[in-house]
Amino acid sequence: DAGVIQSPRHEVTEMGQEVTLRCKPISGHDYLFWYRQTMMRGLELLIYFNNNVPIDDSGMPEDRFSAKMPNASFSTLKIQPSEPRDSAVYFCASKRTNNQPQHFGDGTRLSIL
Amino acid sequence: DQQVKQNSPSLSVQEGRISILNCDYTNSMFDYFLWYKKYPAEGPTFLISISSIKDKNEDGRFTVFLNKSAKHLSLHIVPSQPGDSAVYFCAASVGFMSNYQLIWGAGTKLIIKP
Repeated sequence: DAGVIQSPRHEVTEMGQEVTLRCKPISGHDYLFWYRQTMMRGLELLIYFNNNVPIDDSGMPEDRFSAKMPNASFSTLKIQPSEPRDSAVYFCASKRTNNQPQHFGDGTRLSIL
Repeated sequence: DQQVKQNSPSLSVQEGRISILNCDYTNSMFDYFLWYKKYPAEGPTFLISISSIKDKNEDGRFTVFLNKSAKHLSLHIVPSQPGDSAVYFCAASVGFMSNYQLIWGAGTKLIIKP
C-alpha cells in the first residue's frame, strides 16, 4: 500500500512568489489534513477535509493561504504571495474512519528567501 | 496556551534499558491519546493509542499508561533499541471516535546510546 505522497520534498523560492504544495492521500481514506511544523509553534493543523469538503480551516494563518481538494486523490495547499515567515515543513496526512490514526506524508520543506 | 505538554525536549537512554516518555495535558475533556514517532526528514508515524476508558495499553515493546486524575500519560519502551532513536510526539483529542482534531505536544527527542 502506497503511503501519503507529497511533492515537492523541498521548495526554495523568493518572497512574493506563489507556492503550491501537493498531496496524494492513501486510497480509500476520506479525511485529509494539512499541517505546518515550525520550531516555534510545533505541529499545527491548518485545515482538514472530509470527503473532499473543507470542514475546518480555522488554522489557516491568513488569506494568503488556500487549500483545495478537487477529488479524493489530490489536494493542494497554495501560498500567494509567499513570505519568509512561511518557511516551515508542511505535512499532509490522511485517515480512513473516525477511530483510525492519521497517516502522514514525508512533508515538504519550504524555504522562502 | 499549551493544552498538551511534553516538558522534556530530549532524553538519553542506554540500549536495553527502559525509556519513559512523559506527557501532561490540561483539558479534562480529552479522551483519546496517541503517540507518534518521527525520524528526520520523514513524517510522523503512528505508534500506539489509548482511550480514557483504559489506563494501560500494550503493543509489543511499547506500553502507554494513562493517569486521568493527574492528567498525565507516559510511553514506556522496553527494551530500548537503537532504532527507537527519534522524536516522539504525544497528541490528544476530544471524542474517541473523532480523533481528527488532534492537539499535539512539542515532542521529545529520544537518543538510545549503544
